[in-house]
Amino acid sequence: SQKIEQNSEALNIQEGKTATLTCNYTNYSPAYLQWYRQDPGRGPVFLLLIRENEKEKRKERLKVTFDTTLKQSLFHITASQPADSATYLCALDISGGYQKVTFGTGTKLQVIP
Amino acid sequence: DTGVSQDPRHKITKRGQNVTFRCDPISEHNRLYWYRQTLGQGPEFLTYFQNEAQLEKSRLLSDRFSAERPKGSFSTLEIQRTEQGDSAMYLCASSGTDYNEQFFGPGTRLTVL
Repeated sequence: SQKIEQNSEALNIQEGKTATLTCNYTNYSPAYLQWYRQDPGRGPVFLLLIRENEKEKRKERLKVTFDTTLKQSLFHITASQPADSATYLCALDISGGYQKVTFGTGTKLQVIP
Repeated sequence: DTGVSQDPRHKITKRGQNVTFRCDPISEHNRLYWYRQTLGQGPEFLTYFQNEAQLEKSRLLSDRFSAERPKGSFSTLEIQRTEQGDSAMYLCASSGTDYNEQFFGPGTRLTVL
């Protein structure tokens, strides 16, 4: 069966450190992968998209890697801040580029001052 | 505010009642999505419109659920004969043709008593 796995346990890190979140998937061949941020009681907010032919993407303090052989994406937040505390969701396009995405369960990040 | 809006933000209803939610996407977006999210889970795809055409509907969506987008602008999601298991956050998102990120609304939280 098709699965998207994110660490269901919360990740607690110290302010200023790099947070690394993992998204693993099975039985998909996604055209691209996205990362979203979600705060409690609010809709997800798009952060980054990485395509299947890209290895790495950066945006300010964020970096995403995509290994289609390992079927894994890593999401890094450098110099983390308490304001980065949220749930982070990965989402895979499973429609061959027609924008139907399937979301993982999300990882809750807590940055401790 | 030119983002995605949803109405109502909260709805409490008794089991067996019908409810209808509305979503107003970003005006130039031709794609509109409905998702359902329960606590600790990622958004779960329900249905998808391109303009006024409903292109896909999740098998998880029972025949008690119906969605429309009559003029290719706003959309409504109706749940008939609500059940306690329908209690969730219902999220709407929209996107344009030229990019893949989805813009989410704030969601409608449904509680079925």
